[in-house]
Amino acid sequence: DQQVKQNSPSLSVQEGRISILNCDYTNSMFDYFLWYKKYPAEGPTFLISISSIKDKNEDGRFTVFLNKSAKHLSLHIVPSQPGDSAVYFCAARGGGSQGNLIFGKGTKLSVKP
Amino acid sequence: DAGVIQSPRHEVTEMGQEVTLRCKPISGHDYLFWYRQTMMRGLELLIYFNNNVPIDDSGMPEDRFSAKMPNASFSTLKIQPSEPRDSAVYFCASSFRGQTFSGANVLTFGAGSRLTVL
Repeated sequence: DQQVKQNSPSLSVQEGRISILNCDYTNSMFDYFLWYKKYPAEGPTFLISISSIKDKNEDGRFTVFLNKSAKHLSLHIVPSQPGDSAVYFCAARGGGSQGNLIFGKGTKLSVKP
Repeated sequence: DAGVIQSPRHEVTEMGQEVTLRCKPISGHDYLFWYRQTMMRGLELLIYFNNNVPIDDSGMPEDRFSAKMPNASFSTLKIQPSEPRDSAVYFCASSFRGQTFSGANVLTFGAGSRLTVL
């Protein structure tokens, strides 16, 4: 049973507009959530994270929102750029000082010029 | 720093053959993870080590899979015998407990090893 779900396999957005990637989770014990970005033929790279005690974290064009009551988080990219086209993975940390990361299946974002 | 280095990048083998994937973590990192990516299951954790000691291998699919970390700079993931359903991209990642972003320990991934079992 998947503990981290990304229900949209793909998303297409026009350059300059907002991209919103969604993620749902089932385990209320997760203490950190992370987003990774992956280009073809490369490994995933860390993008942004948020603690479970916060509801928003912002880093430049990237903002992650966390709604604990709904067990839902989202990644907003504003404005979207063609270079943002990649697969985005949502991940949750299981707690403890170094729990493993549980990943969703990913959402492929395409930003069209 | 060269990052996490994995070899081979691509491996094509026949069913029943032994496959060995290799990983060199970032120097100084004390955690090492092996993940597998498939279309059906996404990225799933197979096993992880702390200071060369296996901590959690509950994700290892079956006895055909084994992983070792003989020292801080090298790890292997072995599949024997290999089967077509093992075809996937295998990622190695490492992290350092003391390095955090907003409090979360961040894993650095290698480029992956794409395995095809015919």
